[in-house]
Amino acid sequence: GAVVSQHPSWVICKSGTSVKIECRSLDFQATTMFWYRQFPKQSLMLMATSNEGSKATYEQGVEKDKFLINHASLTLSTLTVTSAHPEDSSFYICSADMGAGVQNIQYFGAGTRLSVL
Amino acid sequence: AQTVTQSQPEMSVQEAETVTLSCTYDTSESDYYLFWYKQPPSRQMILVIRQEAYKQQNATENRFSVNFQKAAKSFSLKISDSQLGDAAMYFCAYRSAGNDMRFGAGTRLTVKP
Repeated sequence: GAVVSQHPSWVICKSGTSVKIECRSLDFQATTMFWYRQFPKQSLMLMATSNEGSKATYEQGVEKDKFLINHASLTLSTLTVTSAHPEDSSFYICSADMGAGVQNIQYFGAGTRLSVL
Repeated sequence: AQTVTQSQPEMSVQEAETVTLSCTYDTSESDYYLFWYKQPPSRQMILVIRQEAYKQQNATENRFSVNFQKAAKSFSLKISDSQLGDAAMYFCAYRSAGNDMRFGAGTRLTVKP
């Protein structure tokens, strides 16, 4: 199957600093990428949908200025957690669509564990 | 809004036995897909099986099969000949023509040797 690389897998940062997480589709072009947040023992919560060359669409309740998403190319989307605070500590997962349309499968990255001290 | 409900937080099965995980969903759409994803301790999401809503035939992938009841909006996953490697969190997911995917709360499956 298709491969989605997410980096870093684990990051620890100080409160007030910014952290960038990268999501790359390695062997296909992804017009749409998604960012999820997962709390311990909970399900995946969609944060935003990222389309190449346009602004991301954020889910209700997700702060656009806090979670900056850039999808500059068909193989790369980045999530920047700005001025991170301990409550931002979580597991962040990206996924990518191969092609377009509801019938396409989302391929997931391995996730990033963010710990804000 | 579409919702996905998994009513079994935890399930347990003996190795080599069969287990069924339940999932129901709510939608007014006619064009959609349903998925089962597996999340092992590594937390990598792995696609197990998917079902197109317009297909009446239930999807199967080796030991994994679904029972798709469109009118009842039910989408259960059956795992046959359970193996120790099947132990994981299983998420049922719904995806509409609007392209975003909604996940259920998950079912933690334990496989007993």
